Amino acid sequence: EAGVTQFPSHSVIEKGQTVTLRCDPISGHDNLYWYRRVMGKEIKFLLHFVKESKQDESGMPNNRFLAERTGGTYSTLKVQPAELEDSGVYFCASSQPSGSWAEAFFGQGTRLTVV
Amino acid sequence: DQQVKQNSPSLSVQEGRISILNCDYTNSMFDYFLWYKKYPAEGPTFLISISSIKDKNEDGRFTVFLNKSAKHLSLHIVPSQPGDSAVYFCAARGPGNMLTFGGGTRLMVKP
Repeated sequence: EAGVTQFPSHSVIEKGQTVTLRCDPISGHDNLYWYRRVMGKEIKFLLHFVKESKQDESGMPNNRFLAERTGGTYSTLKVQPAELEDSGVYFCASSQPSGSWAEAFFGQGTRLTVV
Repeated sequence: DQQVKQNSPSLSVQEGRISILNCDYTNSMFDYFLWYKKYPAEGPTFLISISSIKDKNEDGRFTVFLNKSAKHLSLHIVPSQPGDSAVYFCAARGPGNMLTFGGGTRLMVKP
């Protein structure tokens, strides 16, 4: 069974440009999360989807970040316009529907570098 | 304000000895605690978890201990193996299955 996959694995863009990250969760996982690790620090929560609905987006840094999950399948995270401080590794994770405890499975991450 | 803290950024242990990784938290509403292991260029992978109603959970060479009164948990690896060398993240589960992570501890197991 395929795990959580993220595209691209690396992205280098200039300040002011737009970047879109994609996450394909494990099939059947209603919960999808985006996390970010900046400068080797702790992994921080960005937002949580349950199917196509945003359950919690309290971790989104500002309105330059837009996350979508069309049809409750894959998700995209768009950064527009990108700033230097957006550099980091963006992780996506998915887990089974709420009510059945299961650990979240993480993708390999997308390393974003804004220059 | 960091709700989950791992105060040791790195730990070096000899192969065959015990590795003890520590984690402290501040939010008493967390109901599950997890340890993730991360290799370079990979995402974190789940290692072991413990419910807040328990004080110990063991899985092979890995044991997690929870001290609720001290808001402290630890991961014991015994015996440590070179393949255990990685960054270990402590995480706590809050509402909606959201995880709050510590900053990670880099474990190096020397042959």
